[in-house]
Amino acid sequence: GQQVMQIPQYQHVQEGEDFTTYCNSSTTLSNIQWYKQRPGGHPVFLIQLVKSGEVKKQKRLTFQFGEAKKNSSLHITATQTTDVGTYFCAPLGSRLTFGEGTQLTVNP
Amino acid sequence: GAGVSQSPSNKVTEKGKDVELRCDPISGHTALYWYRQSLGQGLEFLIYFQGNSAPDKSGLPSDRFSAERTGGSVSTLTIQRTQQEDSAVYLCASSPGGYEGYTFGSGTRLTVV
Repeated sequence: GQQVMQIPQYQHVQEGEDFTTYCNSSTTLSNIQWYKQRPGGHPVFLIQLVKSGEVKKQKRLTFQFGEAKKNSSLHITATQTTDVGTYFCAPLGSRLTFGEGTQLTVNP
Repeated sequence: GAGVSQSPSNKVTEKGKDVELRCDPISGHTALYWYRQSLGQGLEFLIYFQGNSAPDKSGLPSDRFSAERTGGSVSTLTIQRTQQEDSAVYLCASSPGGYEGYTFGSGTRLTVV
């Protein structure tokens, strides 16, 4: 499977602040998926990016796929306490592999 | 079913015993994964089934681990002679295949004492 590095590993924000997590690969990715795992829960599929330079939005969440298809990012605008959890990027190549995730905590 | 079902939800077993974990994927989903997640850690790939193709077993940590998928539907993960380091949450995920998102089950929390 294709390996990716996610940064940061942890992020603490005040409610209302923005949050961004980055997913980087040394090789070109055919596509990338993003998942969210709430504390004590299981991963939930958020979105898939396929095209170079693609940008997709889901309410306050913005997902980007780099022009070279070697990196991706997830940006959350004006975080809420419901955004708490770990966000994973997962390239889907010969198999679905997961980055180490970014654990987000939001202080009310 | 409406979602991916895993059983049991919790399993406590004595070191050295065998355990069998079950995954019932969404009907019609041809792709199925097993992952292992230790507390506060990422998802460790174990095995991947896609349709009638030979499974990708490259993630199984030792020959004590095996998995099968019968009739392209239900999958079982078997761990023989369990060790304390096998304690983790075992997650199953399925998808229609191709470039589709995966639906995860709620997992089986395995504790080896």
